[in-house]
Amino acid sequence: GENVEQHPSTLSVQEGDSAVIKCTYSDSASNYFPWYKQELGKRPQLIIDIRSNVGEKKDQRIAVTLNKTAKHFSLHITETQPEDSAVYFCAANSGGGADGLTFGKGTHLIIQP
Amino acid sequence: DGGITQSPKYLFRKEGQNVTLSCEQNLNHDAMYWYRQDPGQGLRLIYYSQIVNDFQKGDIAEGYSVSREKKESFPLTVTSAQKNPTAFYLCASSIVSVSYEQYFGPGTRLTVT
Repeated sequence: GENVEQHPSTLSVQEGDSAVIKCTYSDSASNYFPWYKQELGKRPQLIIDIRSNVGEKKDQRIAVTLNKTAKHFSLHITETQPEDSAVYFCAANSGGGADGLTFGKGTHLIIQP
Repeated sequence: DGGITQSPKYLFRKEGQNVTLSCEQNLNHDAMYWYRQDPGQGLRLIYYSQIVNDFQKGDIAEGYSVSREKKESFPLTVTSAQKNPTAFYLCASSIVSVSYEQYFGPGTRLTVT
C-alpha cells in the first residue's frame, strides 16, 4: 500500500518569512495530492491540492509543487502570518482512485511574532 | 461548515461496550470514509464506501464495523474487540466523479475507560 512521509514534524518561522513542508510517497499509481490544515480540536480543512498531471499550483500565498519522478511534493507558504499557525498534513490517494487517502504524520507550523 | 455532520461531539464509554458513531451528509456525495486520528499522528483510514450497500476495509479495520444502507449515512461501530479505541474519529465524503477532494465532518472524540 501507499506510504507517505512528511518532514519536518515541527517548523518555526518568523512572521513574514516563508515556510516549506515536504512529503514523499511510495505508490506510483497515486495521482491526487491534497494538503490539509488542522487547528487544535477541529476538522482538517483542504487548503490546496494537485493532480499528477500538473507540476505546480498556486493560490495566493500558498503553492504546491510535485515531482512525479522523485515521488515528492511540497507545500510553500509565503509571507507567513500568525493565523497560519496550525498542523499541516499532506496526503496521497492510495492506488490512484477513490479508495481513501494516506496521510503524513503532520507538521506543526509555528509562526513567531 | 459544509453538509457533513457527526454526532455526538464527545462520547464516553466503558471498556467492553460497543459504541456507534453517526455520520450524515446532505452533499449527495457517493463516497464516504472513516478515519481515526491519535494525538500527534496523521489520519488513518478505517473503512470506506463508494456506493450504497458496499464498503471496503481500510488500513486499520480490525475491531470496527460499518454499514451503508443509505447514501447519506455511514455509521461506524467501535466494537469491544478494538484494543485501543480512545481516539478522534473523522468522517469524510467525496463526490468522486468530479474530484477526489474529501470534505470532513467535525469529528467525534471517543474516550473509553
